[in-house]
Amino acid sequence: EAEVAQSPRYKITEKSQAVAFWCDPISGHATLYWYRQILGQGPELLVQFQDESVVDDSQLPKDRFSAERLKGVDSTLKIQPAELGDSAMYLCASSPGQFSYEQYFGPGTRLTVT
Amino acid sequence: GENVEQHPSTLSVQEGDSAVIKCTYSDSASNYFPWYKQELGKRPQLIIDIRSNVGEKKDQRIAVTLNKTAKHFSLHITETQPEDSAVYFCAAPNTGGGNKLTFGTGTQLKVEL
Repeated sequence: EAEVAQSPRYKITEKSQAVAFWCDPISGHATLYWYRQILGQGPELLVQFQDESVVDDSQLPKDRFSAERLKGVDSTLKIQPAELGDSAMYLCASSPGQFSYEQYFGPGTRLTVT
Repeated sequence: GENVEQHPSTLSVQEGDSAVIKCTYSDSASNYFPWYKQELGKRPQLIIDIRSNVGEKKDQRIAVTLNKTAKHFSLHITETQPEDSAVYFCAAPNTGGGNKLTFGTGTQLKVEL
């Protein structure tokens, strides 16, 4: 069964450093999402891609976060510089297409900023 | 956008009992309601979903019911087992456009032996 892949699974970094997370969606899925999940809360959308285009990045803190999906397949989320409040689980999800609400999640990257 | 409220935040049941988790949503135009299960340290997994043209959907021991008039939907787990212990999230479409979901805050279900 195809799954969304993410790496790394865990990342510890010092504040002010740069970090990057990678996501490979299920093959053929046109829509890709990045979420942030704080412990004890539901996932919150950071950015949504349709193929290589950003559909929604209204909740992405653009002064320090950036995301790209250059060829419309895999995606990278970057934080520079990292802050203590960025400690969270970063989840990637993919969906078959722009008219489908079904989302399939990756295992996430647990970020700890010290 | 959509506002999704989920209750209870924690639920403890004895093995074999039933568990019910409820969510309310704000936008009457919402038409898709999934439930995700997230075990400790693992990815959220879609376990069941319902569309607004039906009132109930079952899959073995789990079921989801939808009340469009009251704008709430519920997850029902019967004959609970220890492996049902996890955090469960409901979601509803974010009607701000695009195929986005707004998630509830989660329910920590503990099935005790």
